[in-house]
Amino acid sequence: SQTIHQWPATLVQPVGSPLSLECTVEGTSNPNLYWYRQAAGRGLQLLFYSVGIGQISSEVPQNLSASRPQDRQFILSSKKLLLSDSGFYLCAWSRRPMNTEAFFGQGTRLTVV
Amino acid sequence: GEDVEQSLFLSVREGDSSVINCTYTDSSSTYLYWYKQEPGAGLQLLTYIFSNMDMKQDQRLTVLLNKKDKHLSLRIADTQTGDSAIYFCAESIDNQGGKLIFGQGTELSVKP
Repeated sequence: SQTIHQWPATLVQPVGSPLSLECTVEGTSNPNLYWYRQAAGRGLQLLFYSVGIGQISSEVPQNLSASRPQDRQFILSSKKLLLSDSGFYLCAWSRRPMNTEAFFGQGTRLTVV
Repeated sequence: GEDVEQSLFLSVREGDSSVINCTYTDSSSTYLYWYKQEPGAGLQLLTYIFSNMDMKQDQRLTVLLNKKDKHLSLRIADTQTGDSAIYFCAESIDNQGGKLIFGQGTELSVKP
């Protein structure tokens, strides 16, 4: 069976510090991968998605970047965090080519102080 | 642009049926989804419906799709306290199941 892991579960970082959140998927190959952010008001917004190693598409301009160094690894990064980067970050994957359903990780709660 | 709207709160009594409603704007969406989020947790895919269907039933869950009005609903029969959570409606973008526009979520509160 397929599983998705995100870590850390919670993170408190000072403004201006760097960020690295990691997501890995097991039990499948060549998945589509996604990063979402859920702000305090509940809505989820798609930040990045990837259809393969080194292929990243950004949905919204922001202070964050994403990378996919391996087939089942997706990393969300920032060089200098802003207060507005606080939120709940969720990684998700979907199968290819039958890209019907997306499965989410348990999320990382990031608080920038 | 695409937009998905839901009411923010719903309160029901245990054993009653719950109906959560959603409207969307992108008529080209191939799939429409319902996700459940418990406090502090990720999203759990409950069910989804293909845009050429009107209804889908899965145990206690019934999804109704009115394409003309761009209205989607989720009915939970015999609602239990364990069903208390936030329910998100979402539509797919570009025919990709992982590229989703989400509603704001409906917080379902089930009272004993």
